[in-house]
Amino acid sequence: DAKTTQPPSMDCAEGRAANLPCNHSTISGNEYVYWYRQIHSQGPQYIIHGLKNNETNEMASLIITEDRKSSTLILPHATLRDTAVYYCIAGLGSGNTGKLIFGQGTTLQVKP
Amino acid sequence: KAGVTQTPRYLIKTRGQQVTLSCSPISGHRSVSWYQQTPGQGLQFLFEYFSETQRNKGNFPGRFSGRQFSNSRSEMNVSTLELGDSALYLCASSSGQATNEKLFFGSGTQLSVL
Repeated sequence: DAKTTQPPSMDCAEGRAANLPCNHSTISGNEYVYWYRQIHSQGPQYIIHGLKNNETNEMASLIITEDRKSSTLILPHATLRDTAVYYCIAGLGSGNTGKLIFGQGTTLQVKP
Repeated sequence: KAGVTQTPRYLIKTRGQQVTLSCSPISGHRSVSWYQQTPGQGLQFLFEYFSETQRNKGNFPGRFSGRQFSNSRSEMNVSTLELGDSALYLCASSSGQATNEKLFFGSGTQLSVL
């Protein structure tokens, strides 16, 4: 799995878009970018993943740069319930290994 | 569809004892993986079971073991507990067959070793 670098913490105003960056400059061509989040005292929750193209689902959007060396998770209208630790993971995929390499993540604080 | 269920939610043990944690995956999922989360080391992969066989293993001592039953339920055992084993233990499930599928995590078992 490629090493990822995320800022340790970020703040966002409620109702505004939260843009969480992730650097994965050593990602290889067949490695995906995954985002999970963990709300205090709960298990991580899958948000979104992508390979090359930008992706959007009901929770968030994932923007991957053309060179794939970095990505941004966008929560379009952050709410207080989005306060959590967000993990960016770059790897081959966990579906047939069960293995994800979690870094320290970004603690997002959404403020009223 | 019920989510991943872990029992018990909290557990207190003393050094030297052993402990067994249980995980019931989402119905139809055949892969169960286990993680340890501590403030110092973060989330670390322990092992993964698929169809009753251990398919992947992380870098943990042999005191940490697991098994999976024919109904895909899994148990994790830690023998000769040490203070450093105090952690949140999480399990996750998936179908186990597609490379890029997501993992579904349970709420974890909080283990305190005194």
